[in-house]
Amino acid sequence: DAGVTQSPTHLIKTRGQQVTLRCSPKSGHDTVSWYQQALGQGPQFIFQYYEEEERQRGNFPDRFSGHQFPNYSSELNVNALLLGDSALYLCASSSPDRNTEAFFGQGTRLTVV
Amino acid sequence: SQQGEEDPQALSIQEGENATMNCSYKTSINNLQWYRQNSGRGLVHLILIRSNEREKHSGRLRVTLDTSKKSSSLLITASRAADTASYFCATVPGANSKLTFGKGITLSVRP
Repeated sequence: DAGVTQSPTHLIKTRGQQVTLRCSPKSGHDTVSWYQQALGQGPQFIFQYYEEEERQRGNFPDRFSGHQFPNYSSELNVNALLLGDSALYLCASSSPDRNTEAFFGQGTRLTVV
Repeated sequence: SQQGEEDPQALSIQEGENATMNCSYKTSINNLQWYRQNSGRGLVHLILIRSNEREKHSGRLRVTLDTSKKSSSLLITASRAADTASYFCATVPGANSKLTFGKGITLSVRP
């Protein structure tokens, strides 16, 4: 079992550009959540996908959007990048029994210059 | 916004000593979880304690939960240099699996 995999691991983008981050959940998991972690802070919830629908959303602007595919993998898209979007983006998957542990990927380190 | 507040922010101990980390939160929860993060990479789940549980053990880890005080503690016994990491508590409200994290505690274990 490969666990949660994210790609790419590192990314450098220019202010104003758009970026797409990818996540494959752990086998057997149907729910994918995305988090943003700024340096020295705890992860902040962006949104959660279940059955290809956004089920919950945190306090992030509409520039942040996502998608979940029939195989449960997910993408996070960020438009019109700002310097402040530089962070570690973490994907977490969880099982159909919702109130259990989440499994995290190694993250994508996004740097906006 | 961050629900959990960990205390202390940083902790430095000698190998073999015990490390105690505390977490306070504000709203009602279904469960509380502790995670470890090495060098700014992915988080590793350590232990989950449900709101109707008071104490839980896993290897060298002991977690307590006091819902009346809205607080939890994580005890790592007989610490090792490999325990050096950032530790986060995360709360889960009743109806969903969204995790709300604190700012974390940086633990340094000196050999």
